Amino acid sequence: SQELEQSPQSLIVQEGKNLTINCTSSKTLYGLYWYKQKYGEGLIFLMMLQKGGEEKSHEKITAKLDEKKQQSSLHITASQPSHAGIYLCGAGGGTGTASKLTFGTGTRLQVTL
Amino acid sequence: GAVVSQHPSWVICKSGTSVKIECRSLDFQATTMFWYRQFPKQSLMLMATSNEGSKATYEQGVEKDKFLINHASLTLSTLTVTSAHPEDSSFYICSARVPWGGSSYEQYFGPGTRLTVT
Repeated sequence: SQELEQSPQSLIVQEGKNLTINCTSSKTLYGLYWYKQKYGEGLIFLMMLQKGGEEKSHEKITAKLDEKKQQSSLHITASQPSHAGIYLCGAGGGTGTASKLTFGTGTRLQVTL
Repeated sequence: GAVVSQHPSWVICKSGTSVKIECRSLDFQATTMFWYRQFPKQSLMLMATSNEGSKATYEQGVEKDKFLINHASLTLSTLTVTSAHPEDSSFYICSARVPWGGSSYEQYFGPGTRLTVT
């Protein structure tokens, strides 16, 4: 089965600072999803990456999938308190399948003033 | 984006009773929905895949007779925790796979249901 490891497990950054969260897979990633979760709430879809070398951005968040499709990074520029939460990467099955997701261990982000 | 709702958002029940949790796709039809559970400070663990009109597919280690799943329509899946025990207390989250996107599959998640069994 596919395993996803995220690093760091938790992160405390000062407002305005940049940060990066990594997600490493034990197998080739056919679809890599990034979600954000606030404690006790559901998941908010951020981005999905499929192709090796692909990079997507939304507002101040950029996600990349490496060429080998086994590692993804999520970069937040000029962090704000609203970025605080738990970031989860999820891996889907092969293309064309029902794509049930396996989730990473999660990264808990706190942004201090 | 697609909206998925869950009801109730939280529930407290006594040990031995059954609890039903609903998951609805509000503005799209979902042939496939997923049920996850999440323990405090842990990641989501997939419990089962719910397919409209057919039996659910359960992940290894998940008791299908304890966690009954019914996907009765294209917009509703239910999870019933039967004979609940305190160890079933958890945060249950559903997701629905959107029908668009070609070969890429986006999943939208409900807000979750917190179950506490006393």
